[in-house]
Parts: sequence; structure tokens; C-alpha cells
Amino acid sequence: GAVVSQHPSWVICKSGTSVKIECRSLDFQATTMFWYRQFPKQSLMLMATSNEGSKATYEQGVEKDKFLINHASLTLSTLTVTSAHPEDSSFYICSARDYRGDYGYTFGSGTRLTVV
Amino acid sequence: GENVEQHPSTLSVQEGDSAVIKCTYSDSASNYFPWYKQELGKGPQLIIDIRSNVGEKKDQRIAVTLNKTAKHFSLHITETQPEDSAVYFCAASPAGKSTFGDGTTLTVKP
Repeated sequence: GAVVSQHPSWVICKSGTSVKIECRSLDFQATTMFWYRQFPKQSLMLMATSNEGSKATYEQGVEKDKFLINHASLTLSTLTVTSAHPEDSSFYICSARDYRGDYGYTFGSGTRLTVV
Repeated sequence: GENVEQHPSTLSVQEGDSAVIKCTYSDSASNYFPWYKQELGKGPQLIIDIRSNVGEKKDQRIAVTLNKTAKHFSLHITETQPEDSAVYFCAASPAGKSTFGDGTTLTVKP
């Protein structure tokens, strides 16, 4: 089945630094990947849609200069949290759609970001 | 855009009993309805899905039903086990991105 690998699984960084999170589709090509943010005991909030070879599409209210998304290949999308602050601490999850099957979305294992 | 409502927010059942979680959606263009199970600290895992041309789908102890007219779909778990305890999310998708419900925390008591 479709596998999405996300790294790192957790990261602690100092306020003001940048953090990069990687999302890879291991056994399929993903022209589109999605990035979500999840607060404790809440649902997944779509941040942006990552499109291979073009600019990401951000949801309303998401700062595109803070959350930089790059989808340079058919198997890799990255999310960079720039100049991180404690309020950026959250659980970030990516997902990708394997078009070989039928509409199925596979999620990565998530990244717990803590900004201190 | 799509709006998905999920109920109940918490559900506690005795081991062996059945559990039912219900979702409603607003966009008649939605044609794909997946259910995800999320354990603490992990990403959601797809457990079952249904498309708009099907009314019911079953996979062992898990089943999903869809009523397109009423715009609602439900997850049914029979013979629940403690390892079924998790947060369950429904989602509705027109062609493209999914909109998630707020989640249901299921607790199965041994």
C-alpha cells in the first residue's frame, strides 16, 4: 500500500530559528501533498496544498512567509517553519494521495514541534 | 466550501459492545468519505472509506454507511476491543482536498 514517510517525528528548537519538516511518498509519486496542523484534542486543520513544480496554495489565515512549502520532486515536499515562536508549537502532519488506487489519502506519522 | 459535523465528540463503550459515530456534510459534490483512526502522537490511519456510488461497505468489524440524500454517513464498529480506543475522524472530499470532522474520542472499557 501507499506509504508516506515524515521526518523528523519530533523536534525542539529555539525561538527565532527555522525548522524543516520532510514528507516523502515512498512507493508512489505524489503530484499533490497536503500539510495539516493539529492542536491538542482538536481536528486537523489544512494549512496548504503542495503542488509539484509550482507554488503551494495556502488556506486563508495561514502565513505563507512563515510556513514555506517546497515540492521540488514527485516524492518530496518540505515544510519550513521560519523564525519559529512558541505559538508555532504544534503537531504537523502531511498527507499525499496515491492516484494509483482510488481517492485514498495516506498520512505521514506527524512531527511534534516544540519551540522554546 | 464543505462543512463536516461529527457526533458524538466522546463515546465510551464496554468491550464487546458496538460503537456508532455519525457525520453530516454540506457539499453535495463530495464523493469520497474516508474514516481515520488516530492514536496519541501518531498520524491518522485510514480504516475504511466509501464512495458516493455505494451505500454500505464492510471490512470485518468495521462498516460504513452512506445516505447521499440526507448527506450523512456513519462508522459502525462491532465487538469493540480495548485496542479500538482512539480518536476517529470522518472526512468528506469533493475532487481534491478533504474536510475533516472534529473527531470522536472512543474509549473501550475492558
